Amino acid sequence: DAKTTQPTSMDCAEGRAANLPCNHSTISGNEYVYWYRQIHSQGPQYIIHGLKNNETNEMASLIITEDRKSSTLILPHATLRDTAVYYCIVSTGTASKLTFGTGTRLQVTL
Amino acid sequence: GEEVAQTPKHLVRGEGQKAKLYCAPIKGHSYVFWYQQVLKNEFKFLISFQNENVFDETGMPKERFSAKCLPNSPCSLEIQATKLEDSAVYFCASSPTWGQLSYEQYFGPGTRLTVT
Repeated sequence: DAKTTQPTSMDCAEGRAANLPCNHSTISGNEYVYWYRQIHSQGPQYIIHGLKNNETNEMASLIITEDRKSSTLILPHATLRDTAVYYCIVSTGTASKLTFGTGTRLQVTL
Repeated sequence: GEEVAQTPKHLVRGEGQKAKLYCAPIKGHSYVFWYQQVLKNEFKFLISFQNENVFDETGMPKERFSAKCLPNSPCSLEIQATKLEDSAVYFCASSPTWGQLSYEQYFGPGTRLTVT
């Protein structure tokens, strides 16, 4: 699975959009971009995934560049409950293991 | 059920003792994964199953770790002769399979193993 690079930490004011970048320059054509987060010491929580097109769900939006070498996770209106470590992972899909990097620690503040 | 269940929540073992962890995947999910989180951010994949068959065991330390997923039973991860370095949170995840589509993994709350 391709390696990803994320900033170690980011801050965001409550109510503002949080934009979390991820580089995955060695991604293969059959690899998806997945985002998970871990709040405190809970189990990782799935957020969103995509292959080529931008995706949106009730939690977030995922913007993937045309060359697929990078992506951005957008939390449109961050709340204190969004404080977590966010992991960007590339994977070939359902049966494949997830290779977690060190993630981005997002701190949402008042 | 609709959530991945893991038991016990906490497990304390003396060095050299056996530890056994259990995971009940979401009903209908074909794939089960085990991960180890030693430090806060470091996850390590251990093993995955497709139903009761081992699918990928590339992360398993072969000497002391074993795992099973038997029909009509929770999956289990067993560590023989635990070492201090096995202290970690062990997460189980399950995933459905539906043709060629890609699906996410649903994680359980984890079992915290402390080896003293």
